[in-house]
Amino acid sequence: ELKVEQNPLFLSMQEGKNYTIYCNYSTTSDRLYWYRQDPGKSLESLFVLLSNGAVKQEGRLMASLDTKARLSTLHITAAVHDLSATYFCAVPTYNTNAGKSTFGDGTTLTVKP
Amino acid sequence: KAGVTQTPRYLIKTRGQQVTLSCSPISGHRSVSWYQQTPGQGLQFLFEYFSETQRNKGNFPGRFSGRQFSNSRSEMNVSTLELGDSALYLCASSGGTGVTYEQYFGPGTRLTVT
Repeated sequence: ELKVEQNPLFLSMQEGKNYTIYCNYSTTSDRLYWYRQDPGKSLESLFVLLSNGAVKQEGRLMASLDTKARLSTLHITAAVHDLSATYFCAVPTYNTNAGKSTFGDGTTLTVKP
Repeated sequence: KAGVTQTPRYLIKTRGQQVTLSCSPISGHRSVSWYQQTPGQGLQFLFEYFSETQRNKGNFPGRFSGRQFSNSRSEMNVSTLELGDSALYLCASSGGTGVTYEQYFGPGTRLTVT
């Protein structure tokens, strides 16, 4: 059974600081997804990582995938308050089909001034 | 392009009742997946439909069922509601002819069972 673990589950940062969220998964997959969820809202797709070594950046967020280590990271650079949200990683249960994905528990990020 | 829509957005039901939730995917998308989100269990996969066929199913009791219509719209039904069914139900649509790389989520239906 595929397991996806994120850490930390809660993260409180000061504005301007850097930090990394980690996502480990238990079975072979060369695809991984990152989502953002604001309180009371749905999931917004952030990154789709489709191969080993994939790196994608959007603003202050950068995601990478190491399929050999079964590890993805979401790096936050110079955090700002607008980044406060819950971040989920998800791995497709069947390697090529995102339609059934297993999600991590989420990392709730709070950025303080 | 219109996004994924879900109706209703909010619903309050009583234990023992049944409920039907609806999801309209992005135009052209043929895969629709349903997820349940609760504070205790997180995001859990319910089922996926592709071209009117259930392609994958999660570990939920038979009270949870779904279907997909020829226009790719999907419904999920929960019968004999229990308090534990209170959750945010999210629908996601994916494009492609079979391999789906990215899911787009709808706003969700928040179901409260009293």
